[in-house]
Amino acid sequence: GAVVSQHPSRVICKSGTSVKIECRSLDFQATTMFWYRQFPKQSLMLMATSNEGSKATYEQGVEKDKFLINHASLTLSTLTVTSAHPEDSSFYICSARVLSRGETDTQYFGPGTRLTVL
Amino acid sequence: AQSVAQPEDQVNVAEGNPLTVKCTYSVSGNPYLFWYVQYPNRGLQFLLKYITGDNLVKGSYGFEAEFNKSQTSFHLKKPSALVSDSALYFCAVRDVFSGNTPLVFGKGTRLSVIA
Repeated sequence: GAVVSQHPSRVICKSGTSVKIECRSLDFQATTMFWYRQFPKQSLMLMATSNEGSKATYEQGVEKDKFLINHASLTLSTLTVTSAHPEDSSFYICSARVLSRGETDTQYFGPGTRLTVL
Repeated sequence: AQSVAQPEDQVNVAEGNPLTVKCTYSVSGNPYLFWYVQYPNRGLQFLLKYITGDNLVKGSYGFEAEFNKSQTSFHLKKPSALVSDSALYFCAVRDVFSGNTPLVFGKGTRLSVIA
């Protein structure tokens, strides 16, 4: 299957700082990437849909000024958590939808980033 | 609106026995259906999908799922469970005609295979 990477895998930061998480599709192009948040022992909560070259579409209740998403190329999307607070601590997972390779519509997921805000 | 129901929070099965993880869905049109597995502190790994064609879909690690349109179900099965299959399993759906929308996930079912 297609490979999606995330960096960093784990980050600990102080309250008030900003954290950037990168999501890359390594061996395919993805016009659309999705950002999810997962709380312990819960399902994935979609935060936003990121399209290359355009503004991200945020789900209801997700603050776009707090969770900045940039999709600069067909293989890279970034999520920046601005002025992070302890309640932002969570597991963030990105996903990319395959554009080609005869595997349309399958979403492949990154390994996730564990954010801990002290 | 699209939705997925995984009625069981937890499924326990003895190693070597067959396993089933249940999933039902609701879409207004035709569904694309997926199963993913998540190991602790990891992202989701794609197991299998149903797009069209044969109702029985075979996927990774010996898993298979059967699409049942009349029952709107897509249960995940494996003939003989392994301890290493213990993980969190997610069913997901997307309406074929919903445009560029993301998958909708069920709440997940934790599978525990006991040696």
